[in-house]
Amino acid sequence: EVQLVESGGDLVQPGGSLRLSCATSGFTFSRFSMGWVRQAEGKGLQWVANIKEDGSEKLYSDTVKGRFTISRDNAKNSVFLEMHSLGAEDTSMYYCARYNYDDYVAFDIWGQGTRVTVS
Amino acid sequence: SYDLTQPPSVSVSPGQTATITCSGDRLENKNVCWYQQRPGRAPILVMYQDSQRPSGIPERFSGSSSGTTVTLTISGVQAEDEADYYCQSVDSSGTYRAFGGGTKLTVL
Repeated sequence: EVQLVESGGDLVQPGGSLRLSCATSGFTFSRFSMGWVRQAEGKGLQWVANIKEDGSEKLYSDTVKGRFTISRDNAKNSVFLEMHSLGAEDTSMYYCARYNYDDYVAFDIWGQGTRVTVS
Repeated sequence: SYDLTQPPSVSVSPGQTATITCSGDRLENKNVCWYQQRPGRAPILVMYQDSQRPSGIPERFSGSSSGTTVTLTISGVQAEDEADYYCQSVDSSGTYRAFGGGTKLTVL
């Protein structure tokens, strides 16, 4: 069974930092791009970042560029999101998602999310 | 950034047809996908490349494209289809993965 499990969400003070993790299983992790998408309470989905299969390319939304860093460890089938200079606007549920470029050009598998609260 | 526009809400009675639109600049040249998100749940992919349905998605879900507007159609709507629906595409540079603002489908 394909599974994505996020962790690391927490209550953090403004200006603080946090590192999110996403552990995956059930598929060949190194063959897929991965991404993070967030959703504030009662709001829509907002793309945060993507990373290519081998980590050679990292893409960020303008709202997080320079503050967030996406990375991956293919040996551990995991993707990470390092977040710095957090503000209230970063308060959201953060979803890890598999970006299936070959079959769908879409996020085809999603985790259940981890909540980040900046207050 | 790249903006995709969806109606905030659509309401239909059970058994009727729901249409949800997504419009954006030069959308006719891009792949658009759709996600369904039920309350308290993670999104799931229900349509890709405008009109392709992933395995496991009911046949009542279909997609189409015309000019700068892409449409998700749900025929014979069922109560379980009540959810938020988001379109998503990529900007011209291939960098920005944009989501539409979402459409809340209410089954009356």
